[in-house]
Amino acid sequence: GENVEQHPSTLSVQEGDSAVIKCTYSDSASNYFPWYKQELGKGPQLIIDIRSNVGEKKDQRIAVTLNKTAKHFSLHITETQPEDSAVYFCAATSSEGYSTLTFGKGTMLLVSP
Amino acid sequence: EAQVTQNPRYLITVTGKKLTVTCSQNMNHEYMSWYRQDPGLGLRQIYYSMNVEVTDKGDVPEGYKVSRKEKRNFPLILESPSPNQTSLYFCASSLSGQVYEQYFGPGTRLTVT
Repeated sequence: GENVEQHPSTLSVQEGDSAVIKCTYSDSASNYFPWYKQELGKGPQLIIDIRSNVGEKKDQRIAVTLNKTAKHFSLHITETQPEDSAVYFCAATSSEGYSTLTFGKGTMLLVSP
Repeated sequence: EAQVTQNPRYLITVTGKKLTVTCSQNMNHEYMSWYRQDPGLGLRQIYYSMNVEVTDKGDVPEGYKVSRKEKRNFPLILESPSPNQTSLYFCASSLSGQVYEQYFGPGTRLTVT
């Protein structure tokens, strides 16, 4: 089955800095790579996703890049703000019908004012 | 308001006492899924349903049952709970019959003593 590794497990930045979280996956047939943000006491919320036919996708301060050859994808947050502080999860589909998601173990991002 | 609801939000029970956690969505979504979240392990998929009367196992289905008799509801059943099922549980749904763009519920924290 799919295996997703996520790094780092914790990340501390100053407000205004950029943050990068990286994930690798094992199944070369995976075609969908979402990123979720989870705030304390809440369910995960989809913030951006990318499909395998695209190399990069941006949404305001957030971007995701995908390297299918190397089987890794990254989340980039620019101009970080304290409200970006949360746990971020990457995920990848299983090649078996694209009906299951395998998640990374999460990155706790702390943005200090 | 479009949402996924779960009940109860908190539950403390004893080993062996059958329980059901309900999940309901009001978005006419085809796909629904259950995940459990444990410290250091991220989110792991328990069961999913691609449509009414269609359910399948995720990565950690042992000790759980589900049913999908109506499109909007996807209850999670623990017939004989054990302490290793103490966890934070999330229900999720998406419009398509697959994992794309899942919306997560607020979570149910279950403690089995």
